[in-house]
Amino acid sequence: EAQVTQNPRYLITVTGKKLTVTCSQNMNHEYMSWYRQDPGLGLRQIYYSMNVEVTDKGDVPEGYKVSRKEKRNFPLILESPSPNQTSLYFCASMDRQMTQYFGPGTRLLVL
Amino acid sequence: AQSVTQLGSHVSVSEGALVLLRCNYSSSVPPYLFWYVQYPNQGLQLLLKYTTGATLVKGINGFEAEFKKSETSFHLTKPSAHMSDAAEYFCAVSRRGDSSASKIIFGSGTRLSIRP
Repeated sequence: EAQVTQNPRYLITVTGKKLTVTCSQNMNHEYMSWYRQDPGLGLRQIYYSMNVEVTDKGDVPEGYKVSRKEKRNFPLILESPSPNQTSLYFCASMDRQMTQYFGPGTRLLVL
Repeated sequence: AQSVTQLGSHVSVSEGALVLLRCNYSSSVPPYLFWYVQYPNQGLQLLLKYTTGATLVKGINGFEAEFKKSETSFHLTKPSAHMSDAAEYFCAVSRRGDSSASKIIFGSGTRLSIRP
């Protein structure tokens, strides 16, 4: 089954404790992206990657890092999480017809 | 810079009534345009997209949208609402033609409620 998977689905952590949210897709898509969703703000793009070893900032990259060492994986790293990074995070991959496929989301609470 | 404005954070219609969700965009070049739907506690799913060609685009679940360049709009419509249409809907825009093509901007969303 074609899908985008994210782990963990739910995470509670404390300020300053490094964490990684994993994202994997099995559709061989070159493009992948991370978004955060906050009430009243819609989805905002954090980082995107157009291919292996090619990443670029979206609209809200501060406090986040990404890497793209292989095509299927695109982890999101929070080196020192803060409470304002409490949010719902979505990973997505996109095909050449510009259709994005979204993961199920990761709900993060930073205390 | 690109931006997307969705008019109305909450729209409520009766079952069987016309659904109209409004989206206006700003872009310095002709954009790619998208509508996504999000059901409760789920990820987003593509409803329809405009990339090129016919300006009236048909999507899944009976939805359609029309790209109107002169009005910079991409409103989403459905002739007859069903209870199962209750969800949040997002309009999105992406530049075309250069390395910025993959930066995607979403609107703030419109929650659609259906009254029995």
